[in-house]
Formats: sequence, C-alpha cells, structure tokens
Amino acid sequence: NAGVTQTPKFQVLKTGQSMTLQCAQDMNHEYMSWYRQDPGMGLRLIHYSVGAGITDQGEVPNGYNVSRSTTEDFPLRLLSAAPSQTSVYFCASSATGTGVEKLFFGSGTQLSVL
Amino acid sequence: AQTVTQSQPEMSVQEAETVTLSCTYDTSENNYYLFWYKQPPSRQMILVIRQEAYKQQNATENRFSVNFQKAAKSFSLKISDSQLGDTAMYFCVPNTGNQFYFGTGTSLTVIP
Repeated sequence: NAGVTQTPKFQVLKTGQSMTLQCAQDMNHEYMSWYRQDPGMGLRLIHYSVGAGITDQGEVPNGYNVSRSTTEDFPLRLLSAAPSQTSVYFCASSATGTGVEKLFFGSGTQLSVL
Repeated sequence: AQTVTQSQPEMSVQEAETVTLSCTYDTSENNYYLFWYKQPPSRQMILVIRQEAYKQQNATENRFSVNFQKAAKSFSLKISDSQLGDTAMYFCVPNTGNQFYFGTGTSLTVIP
C-alpha cells in the first residue's frame, strides 16, 4: 500500500524557473492538500482540494497553482520560482478533510531556489 | 487563519519521566477536531493522538494523553514514561472548515 507519494524528493531550481511537484494517493481520498514547512514556522497550508475539480486557497497561496483533474493526483506548480519559495513541501490527504479522519502525509520535497 | 500557539519552542525530559507540551488555539467553531502530530528527524509526519471537541472525555493512546479544556481553548499533550524514540518535533493541529492549522511546534529531546 503506497499511501501518499511525492516526487521528487529533492530539487534545486534557479530563480525564474518553473516546475511541478507531483503528489499521488491510492487511498481514494477526496481531500488533498499542500503545505510548506519553514524553520520555526510549522506547516502552512498552500492549497487544498475537497474533490476532483475543486480547489481552494490556503494561508500562503501566492506563487503556486494547483489543479485536481483526478481523485488520485494533486500537482503543485511553481510558475516562476523565487528564493522565498525555498522550503520543504508536504502533500497530505484525508478521506474528507473534516478531521474525522487523520491526515496521511507524503515524505516531503526539499526545494532550493538559487 | 486560525491562531495556534505552542509557547514552548524546546523542551527536554529524562528517559522514563513525564512531560507535558502546551497548546492554545483560537476558533469560533463549536464542533471541531484536534490532533497532535510528531515529526522525528526522518521528517515523517506521524499522528500521535486525536480529540473530538464535542467529547468531554480526554483522549488517551498508550503513553500519550491530552488535557482538553474547551472553554479555555487549551489542548496539552502529556507523554508518560518517555522513551528515546519520543525525541521529535511535536505539532498541535486544530481542524476546522476543511483546513488543518499547524502550530510552530515544540522540539522535544529525551535524555538517556
């Protein structure tokens, strides 16, 4: 049982480059979300989705785009990377997002923007 | 965004002793859920314990228990018989409105 799979695990970008962080889950979860983790700041919600075709902004959405065309996949796109986006990114999913069930996390992506 | 305060950035405890991590939050909701997650150096996020706000009974999970004070919006975690494997960052996480709000974390070190 794979759970939540994030790729890549590490990535180095130059300022202005674009890239997509991939996230896939095989648990048929309706709720998927992206967080960034910076030192001393905990995890902050970037975007989330409560089902295919539905996305919404979290606390820190600027500079990031998402889409949810299937239940399984929730990619995070950086259109023009900036040094301020250097962080560890986590994808997480849950059956409903209401808190009745826990969040399942991917293993994280360490992103450095030079 | 909901405010989650973990006022203890770092704590340490002797192996086999008991330690309590504090958390306060701010919500206008009446029904919600609260979680404690731990993040060891491996960076993996692991659920420790979950509390339903409409339940007065405090949740327990083996050596882990919570003290949930709804009126005070307080949700502390007690770890009994601390083990070396408990060394990790601990996050208090309320959930309301399809969003999980993470505190800034408490770094716990268990000393042999």
